[in-house]
Amino acid sequence: DVKVTQSSRYLVKRTGEKVFLECVQDMDHENMFWYRQDPGLGLRLIYFSYDVKMKEKGDIPEGYSVSREKKERFSLILESASTNQTSMYLCASRVGGVTEAFFGQGTRLTVV
Amino acid sequence: GENVEQHPSTLSVQEGDSAVIKCTYSDSASNYFPWYKQELGKGPQLIIDIRSNVGEKKDQRIAVTLNKTAKHFSLHITETQPEDSAVYFCAASKRAGSYQLTFGKGTKLSVIP
Repeated sequence: DVKVTQSSRYLVKRTGEKVFLECVQDMDHENMFWYRQDPGLGLRLIYFSYDVKMKEKGDIPEGYSVSREKKERFSLILESASTNQTSMYLCASRVGGVTEAFFGQGTRLTVV
Repeated sequence: GENVEQHPSTLSVQEGDSAVIKCTYSDSASNYFPWYKQELGKGPQLIIDIRSNVGEKKDQRIAVTLNKTAKHFSLHITETQPEDSAVYFCAASKRAGSYQLTFGKGTKLSVIP
């Protein structure tokens, strides 16, 4: 079974902190994604990566950056956390455009 | 870019009844349409998907229909059970170019025993 693992289920951070959310997949997928999930807004794409060291902005990249140094790992970075970044963050991976995307269990981040 | 609209946002049905969730998409180049179920405290999981070369697909109590001309697709759940209660998301994706999935805003389905 494909497994996408996010390093934390729950995180509480202070405003202004630099925050790292880690995601690891074990099926050699080229494409990895970070989504943010908020009530009534669904899943919105922050960034995605289609290869090592390659990244593209999604719909809401402001305030975030990403890193993909190895194929299996995709990190989301909040450069200076703000309260409006309190949300559920979901990582996903997939092979290509007509295949299933596999999601991690999510990280619920609270910025105080 | 792609825009996916999903309706209704909430849906309550009696156990044993059918549930229908509808989505429309804007990009005629989209050719892959998955449906995800998200239970409380978990990440979304694929329940069924359809590619643009077919009009309907069934898997036991779940079916998806696709109308490419009208650019809409629907999820049908028959004989609903309490364990079907969850949030359901539709999505659209293209084969070529970026492989991102664009999601609808979700439907919270409640099955009343």
